Amino acid sequence: AQSVTQLGSHVSVSEGALVLLRCNYSSSVPPYLFWYVQYPNQGLQLLLKYTTGATLVKGINGFEAEFKKSETSFHLTKPSAHMSDAAEYFCAVSANTGTASKLTFGTGTRLQVTL
Amino acid sequence: EAQVTQNPRYLITVTGKKLTVTCSQNMNHEYMSWYRQDPGLGLRQIYYSMNVEVTDKGDVPEGYKVSRKEKRNFPLILESPSPNQTSLYFCASSLSRGGGASDTQYFGPGTRLTVL
Repeated sequence: AQSVTQLGSHVSVSEGALVLLRCNYSSSVPPYLFWYVQYPNQGLQLLLKYTTGATLVKGINGFEAEFKKSETSFHLTKPSAHMSDAAEYFCAVSANTGTASKLTFGTGTRLQVTL
Repeated sequence: EAQVTQNPRYLITVTGKKLTVTCSQNMNHEYMSWYRQDPGLGLRQIYYSMNVEVTDKGDVPEGYKVSRKEKRNFPLILESPSPNQTSLYFCASSLSRGGGASDTQYFGPGTRLTVL
């Protein structure tokens, strides 16, 4: 079984401030980890993903995330928030568990960026 | 343009009136899936399909049906909709037959369904 916990359903930051969105996962087998972003009235699009190799993953729009196995975490960061980053962000975990892998999502974090 | 399309984007209906939400992808993907998104619950998988004529239940399949007669299409059918199926629905697809664990899933724009 696998699960994802996103701490904080709403996060507010000032424009230019650090963005930190937290994600912890649980998986009985080596996980693959994803961050998706959902802009208002749109579908989800991939920000970045960790599969194997380098634990610091860089994504689109200046976001990055670090896979920390010892902490079972995959927190999303961006050094300087922009107004256009306001959206809902979903962390997700996947793993090879049998005939069909499954993508399990967290409950989401809504990011607000203020002037 | 590579994409997943859904129709309709918005739908208001009444309890018990059968409806179908269509989903189509033009990326020749093997794996397709339906999710519903509800506030505070994130996305939950309804059904998925690994290939033509191969479908299976996800986490919340009750009240839904699907079919996969062609590779590109994966319609979601609500035979007798009820108010608790009011939600935002997303179709997604990915490359590998088993929904390869490291594959990126590509999402449609969503269908907002209201059942009165």
